[in-house]
Amino acid sequence: GESVGLHLPTLSVQEGDNSIINCAYSNSASDYFIWYKQESGKGPQFIIDIRSNMDKRQGQRVTVLLNKTVKHLSLQIAATQPGDSAVYFCGESNDYKLSFGAGTTVTVRA
Amino acid sequence: KAGVTQTPRYLIKTRGQQVTLSCSPISGHRSVSWYQQTPGQGLQFLFEYFSETQRNKGNFPGRFSGRQFSNSRSEMNVSTLELGDSALYLCASSMQGEGTEAFFGQGTRLTVV
Repeated sequence: GESVGLHLPTLSVQEGDNSIINCAYSNSASDYFIWYKQESGKGPQFIIDIRSNMDKRQGQRVTVLLNKTVKHLSLQIAATQPGDSAVYFCGESNDYKLSFGAGTTVTVRA
Repeated sequence: KAGVTQTPRYLIKTRGQQVTLSCSPISGHRSVSWYQQTPGQGLQFLFEYFSETQRNKGNFPGRFSGRQFSNSRSEMNVSTLELGDSALYLCASSMQGEGTEAFFGQGTRLTVV
């Protein structure tokens, strides 16, 4: 079966440092991957996505890396800010279905 | 451009009752997906609709159903509510569904007592 998981349920990072959030997936047929950020009381907010024919994609302060060989996805946040504190979910898409991992709670220390 | 709108935001129901939740997608989006979010299970896929057709369904009992209208608005229904159905129900819309960016609504918080 398919599963999407994050390596760590929590991550504490110093303000200004870079954050790396990892995710493993098991469905080799997945061809689209996505990261969301969810703040308390809100719905998930799109951060960045990547297709399986790419291995890296950059956005504003964020970079997603995809390693299909080991089925690994990561989200890098540069110069982490207090507003980055949230739960981060990785998702994989296959057959009109987005499957999500359990989420990593990122806490930014001042 | 208005975002995804879900109504109601909060709902309290009694075991055995049924409930209908509504989702209005972003204008121009034809795909609507529904998810159940609980602390223990995370975000679980319920179903996806595109142009009024269900294209995929998650592993939920038949008590959970949905539909999509010609204007792309979607509803989901849960019959014979159980305590375990208490959750945040999220709706996401996208242009085409798979492989395209999906935007989530704020969710409907359902509490079953």
